[in-house]
Amino acid sequence: DTGVSQDPRHKITKRGQNVTFRCDPISEHNRLYWYRQTLGQGPEFLTYFQNEAQLEKSRLLSDRFSAERPKGSFSTLEIQRTEQGDSAMYLCASSPRGRDYPEAFFGQGTRLTVV
Amino acid sequence: GQQLNQSPQSMFIQEGEDVSMNCTSSSIFNTWLWYKQDPGEGPVLLIALYKAGELTSNGRLTAQFGITRKDSFLNISASIPSDVGIYFCAGQLITSGTYKYIFGTGTRLKVLA
Repeated sequence: DTGVSQDPRHKITKRGQNVTFRCDPISEHNRLYWYRQTLGQGPEFLTYFQNEAQLEKSRLLSDRFSAERPKGSFSTLEIQRTEQGDSAMYLCASSPRGRDYPEAFFGQGTRLTVV
Repeated sequence: GQQLNQSPQSMFIQEGEDVSMNCTSSSIFNTWLWYKQDPGEGPVLLIALYKAGELTSNGRLTAQFGITRKDSFLNISASIPSDVGIYFCAGQLITSGTYKYIFGTGTRLKVLA
């Protein structure tokens, strides 16, 4: 499978715990995006990387959220001290290098439930 | 967060009918994408549009990039039951240095056999 891969698919955690999600983009895609989607809404932009550099962060990304892409390949999204409002689908997408405005391909998402 | 306006919000149609949905914004976009999302899954790319006025087809799907760069529409011809799902538009803003996509609020399509 050469698509975007996200792990885990589902995560249930207690309020106050930390969680970390992983995204493996399509091989050689240099841009990687994180989005959050709540029920009945479209995906909302959180942050994106070009290679290992985090170039933009949304105001939705509070201090409890941190994303990394250490070697320009896979990325992790960590949420510290989770709150019930963090319950959502977290989507990762990647887009290819070498084009000005390339299309983004999404993974299957990680569904987070905070209880 | 910012989201584009999509209409209609939902629609019920009979199998075999044509479907039309659109997406509008107050901002100018340089790229429009259309996605379909099934429950519990990530969005799947259907069509990408790169030029104002561009009309692109993918099987029974046809999409157009509005001339003003502020809107786009998607048509589905001869709908079938597997067209059921949520359709999202996404636009990429013409602002320096940003490559993020802004998504619409979605159109929920239900096809009655």
